[in-house]
Amino acid sequence: NAGVTQTPKFRVLKTGQSMTLLCAQDMNHEYMYWYRQDPGMGLRLIHYSVGEGTTAKGEVPDGYNVSRLKKQNFLLGLESAAPSQTSVYFCASSYTGIIEAFFGQGTRLTVV
Amino acid sequence: AQSVTQLGSHVSVSEGALVLLRCNYSSSVPPYLFWYVQYPNQGLQLLLKYTSAATLVKGINGFEAEFKKSETSFHLTKPSAHMSDAAEYFCAVSDMNTGNQFYFGTGTSLTVIP
Repeated sequence: NAGVTQTPKFRVLKTGQSMTLLCAQDMNHEYMYWYRQDPGMGLRLIHYSVGEGTTAKGEVPDGYNVSRLKKQNFLLGLESAAPSQTSVYFCASSYTGIIEAFFGQGTRLTVV
Repeated sequence: AQSVTQLGSHVSVSEGALVLLRCNYSSSVPPYLFWYVQYPNQGLQLLLKYTSAATLVKGINGFEAEFKKSETSFHLTKPSAHMSDAAEYFCAVSDMNTGNQFYFGTGTSLTVIP
């Protein structure tokens, strides 16, 4: 049971570089989410998707873009990385969007 | 708007002592409530969830939580702390009005003193 898998697990970027974080789930969940976790701030929602081909902004969407071309995959893109985007990023999925979210292991991103 | 407040960003208990982590929520409709645990360098794992059935919910590793509507609370307890309970704990809420989102508290770091 893979559940929710995030790739990569660690990454160091230089300011201005771009990258894509991949989230894959094998539970046939409709809902997928990208969060960032920063000390003392808990988890903040960046973007989410309520189904294949749909995306929506969360609490902190600026500087990020997402795509959900396939139901099982949710991609998070940073077009021009900034030091303020140094964080741990978590992907999650849910069958109903109300009852229980399942989380990946996280991606630790450092922007220098 | 929905929100979650976790009182105490850091809690320390002695091994064998009662663990009490506090969570208060705001929701205009019946909520679904969750406690997640995060061990160092890992993702979030569900401890327990309230989904409008029994108000006292039992979870994994001996944890339980009680939903109190009148107090808008969902505190997490464990009778006897173990060293392996040291972790970050997050309370979360969702409901039919959250737009299919989960709202998380800022977390409580639990330290267990031997």
